Amino acid sequence: DVKVTQSSRYLVKRTGEKVFLECVQDMDHENMFWYRQDPGLGLRLIYFSYDVKMKEKGDIPEGYSVSREKKERFSLILESASTNQTSMYLCASSLIRRGGTEAFFGQGTRLTVV
Amino acid sequence: LAKTTQPISMDSYEGQEVNITCSHNNIATNDYITWYQQFPSQGPRFIIQGYKTKVTNEVASLFIPADRKSSTLSLPRVSLSDTAVYYCLVGDGGSNYQLIWGAGTKLIIKP
Repeated sequence: DVKVTQSSRYLVKRTGEKVFLECVQDMDHENMFWYRQDPGLGLRLIYFSYDVKMKEKGDIPEGYSVSREKKERFSLILESASTNQTSMYLCASSLIRRGGTEAFFGQGTRLTVV
Repeated sequence: LAKTTQPISMDSYEGQEVNITCSHNNIATNDYITWYQQFPSQGPRFIIQGYKTKVTNEVASLFIPADRKSSTLSLPRVSLSDTAVYYCLVGDGGSNYQLIWGAGTKLIIKP
């Protein structure tokens, strides 16, 4: 069974802390994505990566960075957490394949910054 | 990147067929149309994908007209457990493939 695993289901951090959200996929997918989801706003792309050590900014990269040192792992870093980064964070992966592809999602990490 | 437009919400009743339409006027030649389902506090889950005409699987059907500027997800005989948010996306899956999500359609099934 294919799997995308996020390191934490729930996380509470203090303002100003450096926060690491980890995501691991076991499908040998090239693409990996980080989204945040807020009520009424749908999924917004923060960063994505199509290869090891490659990263591309999505729609809302400010305040975030990412790391992809290995193909299976994609980390999202909040350099200095702020209360407006309280959100549900979703990681996904997909194959690079012309002709359509399916993305697989993790269960999400609900982050609260206090 | 092609943008999609869907109704914000829909209601229906158990046992009915539900059709959700998505508009994607700027769809590119290589783009496929993909639908996902999301339950509260879970990540989205793939439902169905197509390029043109009709695609059917065990869960749903996808109807795509010849001009491909819209698509319709059809859920046969819905049940309460089909209450979820449904997202329509377009893309070609190639390099730099970005998944750009709209607000989705919140489908509520009533008994």
